[in-house]
Amino acid sequence: GAVVSQHPSRVICKSGTSVKIECRSLDFQATTMFWYRQFPKQSLMLMATSNEGSKATYEQGVEKDKFLINHASLTLSTLTVTSAHPEDSSFYICSARETGNRYNSPLHFGNGTRLTVT
Amino acid sequence: QKEVEQDPGPLSVPEGAIVSLNCTYSNSAFQYFMWYRQYSRKGPELLMYTYSSGNKEDGRFTAQVDKSSKYISLFIRDSQPSDSATYLCAMSEPGPRGASGTYKYIFGTGTRLKVLA
Repeated sequence: GAVVSQHPSRVICKSGTSVKIECRSLDFQATTMFWYRQFPKQSLMLMATSNEGSKATYEQGVEKDKFLINHASLTLSTLTVTSAHPEDSSFYICSARETGNRYNSPLHFGNGTRLTVT
Repeated sequence: QKEVEQDPGPLSVPEGAIVSLNCTYSNSAFQYFMWYRQYSRKGPELLMYTYSSGNKEDGRFTAQVDKSSKYISLFIRDSQPSDSATYLCAMSEPGPRGASGTYKYIFGTGTRLKVLA
């Protein structure tokens, strides 16, 4: 089955530093990847849609200068949380849909990154 | 009104019970339906993916779609304590939409299920 690898699984950083999270599709190509944020006992909140070779599309209320997204290849998207603050502490999850499927295909998720900003 | 409604639970059932999880939706353009299982502190895992109305079975899981009622269900037979997790429904329209040409997937809030040994 389609596998999405997300790294790191857990990171603790100091306030003011930046953190990069990687999302890789291991056995399929993904033109489009999605980044979500999830608070405890709540559902997924879409932050942005990452498009290979073009700028990401951010959801309303998500600061694009705060959450930098780069989708440089068909198998890798990165999310950088810049100048992190304690309120950025959360569970971040990426997902990818398989490219080349003319119909919709399901999303496959990474295992998430738990970010703690101290 | 939310595009997708899902009872958050928690839903507690004894081991071996048949579990019924449901979602309703308002957008008649949705044609692709997914069910995910999410364990605590893990990413969602795809369980079932269906298109259009009807039933789809995979092992102990059956996904049911009723487009006329805008209602989807996931049934779990012979439930096990290891099935204890949050179950998320998701759906999408055919093809990309929006100026960015991206696909949109809408998720339910998830139902927390506890299967008691």
